[in-house]
Amino acid sequence: QVQLVESGGGVVQPGRSLRLSCAVSGFSFINYGMHWVRQAPGKGLEWVAIISYDGSTEYYGDSVKGRFAISRDNSKNTLYLQMNSLRPEDTAVYYCGKGWKYVDYWGQGTLVTVSS
Amino acid sequence: NFMLTQPHSVSESPGKTVTISCTRSSGSIASNYVQWYQQRPGSSPTTVIYEDNQRPSGVPDRFSGSIDSSSNSASLTISGLKTEDEADYYCQSFDINNRVFGGGTKLTVL
Repeated sequence: QVQLVESGGGVVQPGRSLRLSCAVSGFSFINYGMHWVRQAPGKGLEWVAIISYDGSTEYYGDSVKGRFAISRDNSKNTLYLQMNSLRPEDTAVYYCGKGWKYVDYWGQGTLVTVSS
Repeated sequence: NFMLTQPHSVSESPGKTVTISCTRSSGSIASNYVQWYQQRPGSSPTTVIYEDNQRPSGVPDRFSGSIDSSSNSASLTISGLKTEDEADYYCQSFDINNRVFGGGTKLTVL
């Protein structure tokens, strides 16, 4: 069955960096685009970034553009999110998701807390 | 960029039918598919409708989706409400370089 497992979350100080990972199994990773979506505590879903199946195309939400970078390693079936210059408002559960125009499978999420 | 606007909350009784709307601010609702996600408390979202009106396997046919070009909106309809349907529901659509979520609707089944 399709599985997506995020890791790498934790507590980080404002201005610092963090890298999230999403290990996938149960489908042919190399054939699908992948998303990062986040959810601040008590708030709704916010789309963060997307990467094409081959890594050649990336798009970002306005709130993270220029600070976050999405990437993938198809040999390791793993998606990444490099988060730089973190701000308190980046505090959220970060989900990875399979798909291109939309998400058809979601991970369980990893919590990132940006606080001094 | 466009926005998707949903009602903050709706409530209905078990066995009844409820409809949640999702209005697109600019551009045609029919130009890009709309999806609907269910998120129960403490859980990850799951997809209940994709491509306007398609149900993933395992989603009961009590869930249906539609679009209305006259109001530039999409709708999620849940019939025969069950207490297990109580959750937050999010619509989502896209354009070339952007994916957009609605603000979410809290469904209470009481």
